[in-house]
Amino acid sequence: GQSLEQPSEVTAVEGAIVQINCTYQTSGFYGLSWYQQHDGGAPTFLSYNALDGLEETGRFSSFLSRSDSYGYLLLQELQMKDSASYFCAVPKGGYNKLIFGAGTRLAVHP
Amino acid sequence: DADVTQTPRNRITKTGKRIMLECSQTKGHDRMYWYRQDPGLGLRLIYYSFDVKDINKGEISDGYSVSRQAQAKFSLSLESAIPNQTALYFCATSDRGEETQYFGPGTRLLVL
Repeated sequence: GQSLEQPSEVTAVEGAIVQINCTYQTSGFYGLSWYQQHDGGAPTFLSYNALDGLEETGRFSSFLSRSDSYGYLLLQELQMKDSASYFCAVPKGGYNKLIFGAGTRLAVHP
Repeated sequence: DADVTQTPRNRITKTGKRIMLECSQTKGHDRMYWYRQDPGLGLRLIYYSFDVKDINKGEISDGYSVSRQAQAKFSLSLESAIPNQTALYFCATSDRGEETQYFGPGTRLLVL
């Protein structure tokens, strides 16, 4: 089966850099996605890594190491609006049926 | 206008009642999904549909059923609601060959 582990909470200050880790166990791996969810809101897609390495999109970057079954989301120049929950997810069976981690709640303080 | 809409946004019902949650999308995507979110847990897949004639069970389908009335509409039914089905329910869509899923605003359901 599939399982994903990520820290439950992370705290950081405005302007700082924070890394949210995700380790996974899957029977067949196709890629790792990240979603952001603000309180009371819907999850929104941030990134997807199918291959090893770093993908950068503005202040957010995502990294994948398939050999270590590990990935992370890197948020730079933190802003208050980045306070949200962040979920890693893997597609099951290659059909984009996502299995989500329990989520990491990021609190950004002034 | 939102691309993925869900109705109702909030619902309170009683144990044993049958209720339906509806999802509509204007993105033209073939693939639609229903997820459930509980506090402290990630989203869990209930059912998914890759086209109008294709319906598949997800991780936690017991107690739920779905109907894909058209490409744009995917409904979730609770045949006989029970309190542990109290949760936040999300509908999502995706296009073939794309990893991105687009989520609706969610329906907050309370079963008394």
